[in-house]
Amino acid sequence: DIVMTQGALPNPVPSGESVSITCRSSKSLLYSDGKTYLNWYLQRPGQSPQLLIYWMSTRASGVSDRFSGSGSGTDFTLKISGVEAEDVGVYYCQQGLEFPRTFGAGTKLELK
Amino acid sequence: VQLVESGGGLVQPGKSLKLSCSASGFTFSSYGMHWIRQAPGKGLDWVAYISSSSGTVYADAVKGRFTISRDNAKNTLYLQLNSLKSEDTAIYYCARSDYWGQGVMVTVSS
Repeated sequence: DIVMTQGALPNPVPSGESVSITCRSSKSLLYSDGKTYLNWYLQRPGQSPQLLIYWMSTRASGVSDRFSGSGSGTDFTLKISGVEAEDVGVYYCQQGLEFPRTFGAGTKLELK
Repeated sequence: VQLVESGGGLVQPGKSLKLSCSASGFTFSSYGMHWIRQAPGKGLDWVAYISSSSGTVYADAVKGRFTISRDNAKNTLYLQLNSLKSEDTAIYYCARSDYWGQGVMVTVSS
């Protein structure tokens, strides 16, 4: 199984600051079609997860352009430019290359 | 797009339960669908997938105990949970990858 490892944030984060969340996969998520099958989700308190980014860097429909994804085949970053109150929650990376689908353990964002 | 799960509840170890997920707002038959669970206070745990042509894949932890299925005429996804264990206690979400339902709680306890 592909293991997904996420980094932590130096919580709490001041409102308006930019933060980066890291994620590493145990296997390259770059497929032969040129796409990198890495998703980012946000789970706000008490809610179900919401897709933010797919194919490593493509924003999902309706997602603020304050969110951006980047990376290589195994190392990935989700950047939030100017954290706002609505960004509070747990961020998960997930690989969509193989079954079983696997998630990182989550990175919690708290606001100061 | 809307996904609405139902069928959860409290069940004794070893018993069975069947979850449903009613889909609307998209052509259900054209999409593969997932079940993903989240134990209380824990992270996300992928459970099973069914393709648009009804091919299925399962996590090792549930293989042989859970069965994912779909009824395209009813726009409904199912998860049959058999031989339930305490470690199956979780919120179960149905998802299209880009859209998730609100989840349904399954508690396995005597």
